[in-house]
Amino acid sequence: DTGVSQDPRHKITKRGQNVTFRCDPISEHNRLYWYRQTLGQGPEFLTYFQNEAQLEKSRLLSDRFSAERPKGSFSTLEIQRTEQGDSAMYLCASSLSTSGNTIYFGEGSWLTVV
Amino acid sequence: AQSVTQPDIHITVSEGASLELRCNYSYGATPYLFWYVQSPGQGLQLLLKYFSGDTLVQGIKGFEAEFKRSQSSFNLRKPSVHWSDAAEYFCAVGTRSGNTPLVFGKGTRLSVIA
Repeated sequence: DTGVSQDPRHKITKRGQNVTFRCDPISEHNRLYWYRQTLGQGPEFLTYFQNEAQLEKSRLLSDRFSAERPKGSFSTLEIQRTEQGDSAMYLCASSLSTSGNTIYFGEGSWLTVV
Repeated sequence: AQSVTQPDIHITVSEGASLELRCNYSYGATPYLFWYVQSPGQGLQLLLKYFSGDTLVQGIKGFEAEFKRSQSSFNLRKPSVHWSDAAEYFCAVGTRSGNTPLVFGKGTRLSVIA
């Protein structure tokens, strides 16, 4: 399978715990995006990388959210001190910077904060 | 900044009937336009995209969309709907530079009845 891969697919955590999601993009793609989707809404952009550089992070929802892409390959999204409002699906997508924004999504990681 | 409006939250069609899902965008320059489909609990799959040229674009699964600049619209159509088309459909707008992330509408949920 050469698509975008996300792990874990589902995560249930207690309020106040930290969680980390991993995304492996399509291998030749140099851009990687994180979106969040809540029920009944479209994907909401969080942040994106070109290679290892994080080019936009002002849309991260709070300072509890952080993302890395240390070697320009896989990426992690960490949420610290989770709150019930963080319950959502976290979507990763990747693209080639020359492809005019054509992004390909992974299957998503569901987060439930109890 | 660009934005997308999908006026219909939920549409129900009979199997075999034709389908049109509406999408209106707001963007000052020529947009890049996309339609994605999402099955329950899954990520988003790219159906089709418009960058330039012919305003009628063909996609996967028998879908097509027409770009109408004068109406700022990019409506999705299918001549004969199958039960397997039941899903959530998202329209998205991007920019030529690709340096700003795709902006998604809130989606239209399609139900198909026998």
